[in-house]
Amino acid sequence: NAGVTQTPKFQVLKTGQSMTLQCAQDMNHEYMSWYRQDPGMGLRLIHYSVGAGITDQGEVPNGYNVSRSTTEDFPLRLLSAAPSQTSVYFCASSTGLGGGETQYFGPGTRLLVL
Amino acid sequence: AQSVTQPDIHITVSEGASLELRCNYSYGATPYLFWYVQSPGQGLQLLLKYFSGDTLVQGIKGFEAEFKRSQSSFNLRKPSVHWSDAAEYFCAVGSGGSYIPTFGRGTSLIVHP
Repeated sequence: NAGVTQTPKFQVLKTGQSMTLQCAQDMNHEYMSWYRQDPGMGLRLIHYSVGAGITDQGEVPNGYNVSRSTTEDFPLRLLSAAPSQTSVYFCASSTGLGGGETQYFGPGTRLLVL
Repeated sequence: AQSVTQPDIHITVSEGASLELRCNYSYGATPYLFWYVQSPGQGLQLLLKYFSGDTLVQGIKGFEAEFKRSQSSFNLRKPSVHWSDAAEYFCAVGSGGSYIPTFGRGTSLIVHP
């Protein structure tokens, strides 16, 4: 199993540009999520999905959209990038929906917005 | 609501020395507790987790953690640190009422030769 994969690894955007961060998992996990990691802030939840067709907002959802058309994929869309969205983005998946489930993380996408 | 605090932003230890990373949580009932490690440029990997039962939990890479309900703590320990342990360590707390755990801000471990 490849686990959780993310593309691209690095991306530079100009303010106002749009892009999609890709996330895929091959473990048949129902639950997937997106986090951003900023210095001194730890991990903050952006959006999550409890199954195909079902998504919900996390702690910092503004400026981001998600959809979940399949169990495997959970892309994160930036509609109009802003410098405040410069961060490292992690996708994660887990087998279950409870607070006790282990999260499996992808390697991350480093995004710089100029 | 659940929350977790990692009081130390950075910890510096010498190779071979013992290590303890602190984690305090806030939750009314018995929580689920986790420690994750993030090596430079990598995603997070689970070190160990506590659900119930024995309060001393063994994890991978020689790490252990002890759940102390009276102190609302779940500190991570290792008796002898290796240079490869240099990384960012995250404590997380979950509960039966939430879909997802809450992560702390992380502690950066620096290992001197």
